[in-house]
Amino acid sequence: DTGVSQDPRHKITKRGQNVTFRCDPISEHNRLYWYRQTLGQGPEFLTYFQNEAQLEKSRLLSDRFSAERPKGSFSTLEIQRTEQGDSAMYLCASSLAGGAPGTGELFFGEGSRLTVL
Amino acid sequence: AQSVTQLDSQVPVFEEAPVELRCNYSSSVSVYLFWYVQYPNQGLQLLLKYLSGSTLVKGINGFEAEFNKSQTSFHLRKPSVHISDTAEYFCAVSEIYTAGNQFYFGTGTSLTVIP
Repeated sequence: DTGVSQDPRHKITKRGQNVTFRCDPISEHNRLYWYRQTLGQGPEFLTYFQNEAQLEKSRLLSDRFSAERPKGSFSTLEIQRTEQGDSAMYLCASSLAGGAPGTGELFFGEGSRLTVL
Repeated sequence: AQSVTQLDSQVPVFEEAPVELRCNYSSSVSVYLFWYVQYPNQGLQLLLKYLSGSTLVKGINGFEAEFNKSQTSFHLRKPSVHISDTAEYFCAVSEIYTAGNQFYFGTGTSLTVIP
């Protein structure tokens, strides 16, 4: 069990550029979450996958954001036409299905920090 | 949507002293409750959770929390802190009777243990 890994750990980009983050969850976990965390705030829910299906999306996820989990394993989060307000830590978490929704422990990666200049 | 309030953004405490980190949530439905800890440059990890049963829940590293439904609170406590407990602590809730899997997090409490 290598834990949840995220790549890259830090991305600096210019406003208007596109960025993509990757998350590799714990191998047997079929639930995957993306959260955003800004300075002084707790993680804010962005989206949730069960296997390859994207089941929930937050209103925070504007049409510039898209997330995929094509084979139910790794996931990508793409931000198009980045804005300075997108600067944040993007966290990925995974959990094991089997319990009732919302009961499972989330296993977090170390996050991908985005800085938009 | 749930609202989770952690009133204390920073808590300094001397080593071996007790500590309580406060968490309150808005409640229109029943919830599950969690405390996560984030050490510097690490991902969040689960300290403890309340799903049902005894309102006093014990977690890792000597932490415990008590669910108080009437107060809509889930305060975290440790009787004697150690330097290694210095970290950011997040309270989180999820709603029991919804089909969703959203976890709502508080803004965090930074615990600093002073030698």
